[in-house]
Amino acid sequence: QVQLQQWGAGLLQPSETLSLTCAVYGASFRGSYWSWIRQPPGEGLEWIGEAKHGGATKYTPSLESRVIISLDTSKNQVSLKLTSVSAADTAVYYCARLTWGWDAFDVWGQGTMVTVSS
Amino acid sequence: QSVLTQPPSASGTPGQRVTISCSGSSSNVGRNTVDWYQQLPGTAPKLLIYNNNQRPSGVPDRFSGSKSGTSASLAISGLQSEDEADYYCAAWDDRLNGLFGTGTKVTVL
Repeated sequence: QVQLQQWGAGLLQPSETLSLTCAVYGASFRGSYWSWIRQPPGEGLEWIGEAKHGGATKYTPSLESRVIISLDTSKNQVSLKLTSVSAADTAVYYCARLTWGWDAFDVWGQGTMVTVSS
Repeated sequence: QSVLTQPPSASGTPGQRVTISCSGSSSNVGRNTVDWYQQLPGTAPKLLIYNNNQRPSGVPDRFSGSKSGTSASLAISGLQSEDEADYYCAAWDDRLNGLFGTGTKVTVL
């Protein structure tokens, strides 16, 4: 059974860098895209971007200049870095697996609440 | 601001059929497949439907999906109290960016 377990700092000040990690259990990086998705309090879901084995990445245009998603194959971990955060980046952040062929997010992490406040 | 539009709410009594719409455009829903997610309060979303109308193992057949042109729908037949949740549609746009719908809160009366 595939499981995603995520962690990272929950409280940041404006202009700091958000850094989250997602450990992948029971699956290989191959054959899937590994994504981050966020949800501001009381609002809907927003796709942040994805990475796949081999290094290719893609990001949503509105965040592209501030975000990096990377895979650590030695640790089976996916990471998210978002620079220069502001209150608008306050949200629950989820890592998720997208399986090729399904083109859908079939496994999700538990979510990490990140608050940006001075 | 999402480009996939859903009604903010839907409701029904136990046993009824509820339908949720997802309206997009030719650059997203009209071009690519649609998925549906269920989000129970305080939990991560769960995949309900992929590739327009396919159910992952374990999802009850009360849930069904369809797509026509630039719109898609999720139907819940035989509504149950545990179906009370937020539902989101999702699709990829023509530049392969992920898109989610605005979300629909389903209430079981």
